[in-house]
Amino acid sequence: GQNIDQPTEMTATEGAIVQINCTYQTSGFNGLFWYQQHAGEAPTFLSYNVLDGLEEKGRFSSFLSRSKGYSYLLLKELQMKDSASYLCAVRRGQAGTALIFGKGTTLSVSS
Amino acid sequence: ETGVTQTPRHLVMGMTNKKSLKCEQHLGHNAMYWYKQSAKKPLELMFVYNFKEQTENNSVPSRFSPECPNSSHLFLHLHTLQPEDSALYLCASSQDLLSGTQYFGPGTRLLVL
Repeated sequence: GQNIDQPTEMTATEGAIVQINCTYQTSGFNGLFWYQQHAGEAPTFLSYNVLDGLEEKGRFSSFLSRSKGYSYLLLKELQMKDSASYLCAVRRGQAGTALIFGKGTTLSVSS
Repeated sequence: ETGVTQTPRHLVMGMTNKKSLKCEQHLGHNAMYWYKQSAKKPLELMFVYNFKEQTENNSVPSRFSPECPNSSHLFLHLHTLQPEDSALYLCASSQDLLSGTQYFGPGTRLLVL
C-alpha cells in the first residue's frame, strides 16, 4: 500500500535549526515534494527531490535517500513566520497519478 | 499569489442544496486537480484532469461532479452533500501529469449543515 509518515508536531525557537523527517512506502517513485501551509492558506511549494542527495534553497534544504525511502526538510535560522504545517508528498510516476501526501508536521516557532 | 484562483473562498450549504466551486489557473498548465483537506487527515486527491480529459477519479462519491471545459478552468459541482463533506477543497495545477510542480489555489472552505 501507500504510506507516508511524518511527525505530527514539532516545536523550536527562533534562530534554531529544525529537521522534519518523512518516510515513505509507495509503489513507484518519481519525486518527493515539500510544501508549506500556513493556517487557512494554500500549500506553497518549497522543494523537490528526485535524485539522492541534498537540495539547498536559502534557509531551507531537502534531502532524499531513495534506497531508504527517507527524506528530510531542514530549516535554518528559524523565524516566527516559519510556524506552519509542512507537507511531504510523493509522486509515484505512473500515468494519471498525482501526489500522495503525508498528514503534515505542524511546526511552532517561539521567541 | 500562485496563479491559481478559487471561488468562493467560503461556502455554507444545506444538504439539499446544489452549488459549484470554481477554479481558474493563469499559468498555462495542462493538468488540474481537486483535493479535499479534512482536519487531521492528509490531503486527499479527488479528481485529475489532463488536457481537459479526466484521467483519475479517486473513488469519489457521485454527489461530487467535476467539469473541465478547458485547460484553464475546473469546476466541482456539489449536490445532496453530507455533513462529513465539510472540508477545505483545494484546486491545483501543473504543467503536465508526470513532471512539474503542482501549484495550489487558496481553497474553498465548505460547511455542510
